[in-house]
Amino acid sequence: DGGITQSPKYLFRKEGQNVTLSCEQNLNHDAMYWYRQDPGQGLRLIYYSQIVNDFQKGDIAEGYSVSREKKESFPLTVTSAQKNPTAFYLCASSLQGAAYNEQFFGPGTRLTVL
Amino acid sequence: GEDVEQSLFLSVREGDSSVINCTYTDSSSTYLYWYKQEPGAGLQLLTYIFSNMDMKQDQRLTVLLNKKDKHLSLRIADTQTGDSAIYFCAETFLNTGGFKTIFGAGTRLFVKA
Repeated sequence: DGGITQSPKYLFRKEGQNVTLSCEQNLNHDAMYWYRQDPGQGLRLIYYSQIVNDFQKGDIAEGYSVSREKKESFPLTVTSAQKNPTAFYLCASSLQGAAYNEQFFGPGTRLTVL
Repeated sequence: GEDVEQSLFLSVREGDSSVINCTYTDSSSTYLYWYKQEPGAGLQLLTYIFSNMDMKQDQRLTVLLNKKDKHLSLRIADTQTGDSAIYFCAETFLNTGGFKTIFGAGTRLFVKA
């Protein structure tokens, strides 16, 4: 089955620790995205990548880092510099550069900082 | 800058119609979309409309687009308790460097039995 997966579903971390969220897709999509969702604020774009070995900052990139070494994978690291990291994180993928840009979303990772 | 706005909450009775509204600012939209998010899950595309259309119907869903007013709506006929979810409006538009897609804040639909 083609799709996009995220792991883990729930993640707890202590303040001051870095943590990496996994995102994998087998849809052969070039573009991948990371969003943060907070109640009442919708989706805010953290980082996106349109091709392997290239990525761009979104609207709220501070305190986050990403890599895109493989087409299928786009991990997100939440660093200790992110002041308020508790949130629901969504990964998505889509065909690159199309006027029709349906995004396929993973099930999300809920990160809680203790 | 570009923006997509939605009201945050809507409550309807089971069997009634629901109408969720969205306004957007960018006039170079190519496609507009409605996504549905169930609790604790990712978003799934419900339906979309090409920007040169003004209406699209898909079973219980009707999408209306008023380009002049930059207003998009989603009507759900015979709303069921299973329709309770968050509904996101989104648009793709041509930006410097290529196409960009932005999402609204989502409208939480409550369906009362």
